[in-house]
Amino acid sequence: GAGVSQSPSNKVTEKGKDVELRCDPISGHTALYWYRQSLGQGLEFLIYFQGNSAPDKSGLPSDRFSAERTGGSVSTLTIQRTQQEDSAVYLCASSSTGGGNTEAFFGQGTRLTVV
Amino acid sequence: AQSVTQLDSHVSVSEGTPVLLRCNYSSSYSPSLFWYVQHPNKGLQLLLKYTSAATLVKGINGFEAEFKKSETYFHLTKPSAHMSDAAEYFCVVSEWDTGRRALTFGSGTRLQVQP
Repeated sequence: GAGVSQSPSNKVTEKGKDVELRCDPISGHTALYWYRQSLGQGLEFLIYFQGNSAPDKSGLPSDRFSAERTGGSVSTLTIQRTQQEDSAVYLCASSSTGGGNTEAFFGQGTRLTVV
Repeated sequence: AQSVTQLDSHVSVSEGTPVLLRCNYSSSYSPSLFWYVQHPNKGLQLLLKYTSAATLVKGINGFEAEFKKSETYFHLTKPSAHMSDAAEYFCVVSEWDTGRRALTFGSGTRLQVQP
């Protein structure tokens, strides 16, 4: 597709359940980011992938959060044993090379609601 | 360490009047700076970026930003606001050369444009 695609667009889950959020980056983009956007918290960095390098996981808030990127393309963010404070919009972005001045293209996000 | 401060959470202007959205940053290095816009129910879109060239950066839709290293600000301006400019705007810093891969977002400024 032409842009970054995220699915599902909305997800409602019960507290304690696991969820998987998917991101399809722009074809050929080697760098991929996950961010979380919540009211009062702004945009919070979660994790960064670049090619075959080890990901930068420094933003993951707890060990309940994990992410993988298969084949250097599609990425999945998994949240285990969801809590109400995990409710937020999860944004994925990709960029062509991952350099510091390279534009990041964002998807429209997955709105996660934990009830 | 780096940080980004957007000085106004909300700005309201009349259509046809100038827009000024203020952003201060702190960085130990020479950062790359960006402004992103987020329209309701849409993904984040790059407006413009500064990467160590001219101090006045031109972006899309008539927006500009002036980079003042001595005063560490990167304010976003537009000479004449249009109704379609109503959105949330984010000032973003990248310190790629330090090894930090995360983009750091300001807390956002919501721009309202009155008819």
